[in-house]
Amino acid sequence: QVTLKESGPVLVKPTETLTLTCAVSGFSLSSTTMGVSWIRQSPGKALEWLADISSNDEKSYSTSLWSRLTIAMDTSKSQVVLTLTNVDPVDTATYYCARIGRSFTYYFDFWGQGILVSVSS
Amino acid sequence: QSVLTQPPSVSASPGQKVTISCSGRYSNIGNNYVSWYQHLPGTAPKLLIYENNKRPSGIPDRFSGSKSGTSATLAITGLQTGDEADYYCGGWDSSLSAGVFGGGTKLTVL
Repeated sequence: QVTLKESGPVLVKPTETLTLTCAVSGFSLSSTTMGVSWIRQSPGKALEWLADISSNDEKSYSTSLWSRLTIAMDTSKSQVVLTLTNVDPVDTATYYCARIGRSFTYYFDFWGQGILVSVSS
Repeated sequence: QSVLTQPPSVSASPGQKVTISCSGRYSNIGNNYVSWYQHLPGTAPKLLIYENNKRPSGIPDRFSGSKSGTSATLAITGLQTGDEADYYCGGWDSSLSAGVFGGGTKLTVL
């Protein structure tokens, strides 16, 4: 079955770089119609789309965060990595990775459980 | 400020029907597909509707989606207390070249 699992630090200090890993199973990152996205939810706020990567390594980023975000894929490890530089307390959130079910029609059919990351000194 | 606009909250009684609206522009809803997600606290969001009106396997037909122009609607019939959750619309914005979500709607089943 399809699973995604986020991992990374649960506490980072302001100005540091946050690196999160999404380990996927049950599907191939090389599949031409799919991709993986990162989405976050700050406490009490709505879902916020951050970035995605497709099987042909095309990447898209949030217009408000693009300068701080990098998404990358390691197909041999079935992992997608997100880095967020220069974090601030406002980046405290639950971070989810999700599978894009079909790139052309763009929906998220499977989600990881999420990882709560706190930014604090 | 979310790109897609949803009402902050809706409420209805068990057994009744409720609709949740999602408003956007041509660059997102008007020219792309809409999906809907149910989010219970402490859990991962769940896909309810994709490609405007399709249900994944396992999602009951009490949930339905529709789209007209630059707006989309999620309808839930036969409300149950277990339907209490936050609901989000989502999709792609061709002008932003980015994924987008609505601000979320909290459903209360009274």
